[in-house]
Amino acid sequence: DQQVKQNSPSLSVQEGRISILNCDYTNSMFDYFLWYKKYPAEGPTFLISISSIKDKNEDGRFTVFLNKSAKHLSLHIVPSQPGDSAVYFCAVFFGAGSYQLTFGKGTKLSVIP
Amino acid sequence: GAVVSQHPSRVICKSGTSVKIECRSLDFQATTMFWYRQFPKQSLMLMATSNEGSKATYEQGVEKDKFLINHASLTLSTLTVTSAHPEDSSFYICSGYSGTSVNEQFFGPGTRLTVL
Repeated sequence: DQQVKQNSPSLSVQEGRISILNCDYTNSMFDYFLWYKKYPAEGPTFLISISSIKDKNEDGRFTVFLNKSAKHLSLHIVPSQPGDSAVYFCAVFFGAGSYQLTFGKGTKLSVIP
Repeated sequence: GAVVSQHPSRVICKSGTSVKIECRSLDFQATTMFWYRQFPKQSLMLMATSNEGSKATYEQGVEKDKFLINHASLTLSTLTVTSAHPEDSSFYICSGYSGTSVNEQFFGPGTRLTVL
């Protein structure tokens, strides 16, 4: 049973517009949420994170929103750039303990020039 | 961010042979290293967690005798796929955790294993 769900396998957005990537999770005990970006044949790279005690975290063009009641988080990229084209993984972390991450299946974002 | 390397990046082997994949943290000491496997269009699935100097902890469903993990130093962990079969063909990714913040888990570039 998937604990982290990214229901959209792909998303296409025009350059300059907003990209919104969504992620749903099942366990309200998750403590920390992260977004990773992955290019083909490369490992994921950390993008942005948010603690369960917050509902928004912003870093430049990237903003992550957390809706705990809906167990939903989203990543907003604005304005989108062609270099943002990659697969984006949502990951969750329980908190104190082993620092294991549980990943969603990823969403492939294509930013069209 | 810190750098994690993996070697080889790509390996093709015959069924029944063993393959060793190395994961190195180049500019930090990884107290914990994780090994993941990713099948096409699937998420990264954690296989095992290893701490330097101790036995790896395997996730449910991962055969520890098939996937041997050694974490001999704070900068090197190895995954050996023993008696590989075609169903073991996958993308294997390691990550190193520096032990200060959950954000500080750095991933290697991955190893594409193809078993003929």
